[in-house]
Amino acid sequence: GAVVSQHPSRVICKSGTSVKIECRSLDFQATTMFWYRQFPKQSLMLMATSNEGSKATYEQGVEKDKFLINHASLTLSTLTVTSAHPEDSSFYICSARARGSNTEAFFGQGTRLTVV
Amino acid sequence: QKEVEQDPGPLSVPEGAIVSLNCTYSNSAFQYFMWYRQYSRKGPELLMYTYSSGNKEDGRFTAQVDKSSKYISLFIRDSQPSDSATYLCAMTTDSWGKLQFGAGTQVVVTP
Repeated sequence: GAVVSQHPSRVICKSGTSVKIECRSLDFQATTMFWYRQFPKQSLMLMATSNEGSKATYEQGVEKDKFLINHASLTLSTLTVTSAHPEDSSFYICSARARGSNTEAFFGQGTRLTVV
Repeated sequence: QKEVEQDPGPLSVPEGAIVSLNCTYSNSAFQYFMWYRQYSRKGPELLMYTYSSGNKEDGRFTAQVDKSSKYISLFIRDSQPSDSATYLCAMTTDSWGKLQFGAGTQVVVTP
């Protein structure tokens, strides 16, 4: 399958700082990217959907000013957690899909964020 | 009530046994159903993708969808220790659009 690379795999930051997570599609053009958050022993929860060149669409309850999503190119999307707090500690996963009505969405390896 | 319910387990089976996993859901608009495998601290990997009701087989894996009961299953035959992982069901109303995931079932296959 196609490769989606997510970086960093783990990050620890201090409370109040911002953290940027990158999601890259390595061998295809990702017209749509999804960002998920997963708490321990819970399901992946969709945070937002972004289409290349457009503003992201956020799910209900997700603060768009706190979780900044940029999808400026067909191979890169970034999620920035601004003014992070310990309750933002979680596993963040992106997925990307190419153009087309029936193209699979491939997942990145995930980023473990710990805010201390 | 969650849209997708999945028993978190853990489910422990001996090597060679059949692993039986299932999810129930409440939204009758779901048309596409997936099963993912997720190893610890890794991203999910797609195992099976099915559309509407019916069975689908791929190697040791069989996926079943019963839309009338809003119930999906995944069976793993001849289980191996390498099958030890968390298995997530997911579903969506429109192909590869917004996916609704179950909580995942942790499976442990003991040698």
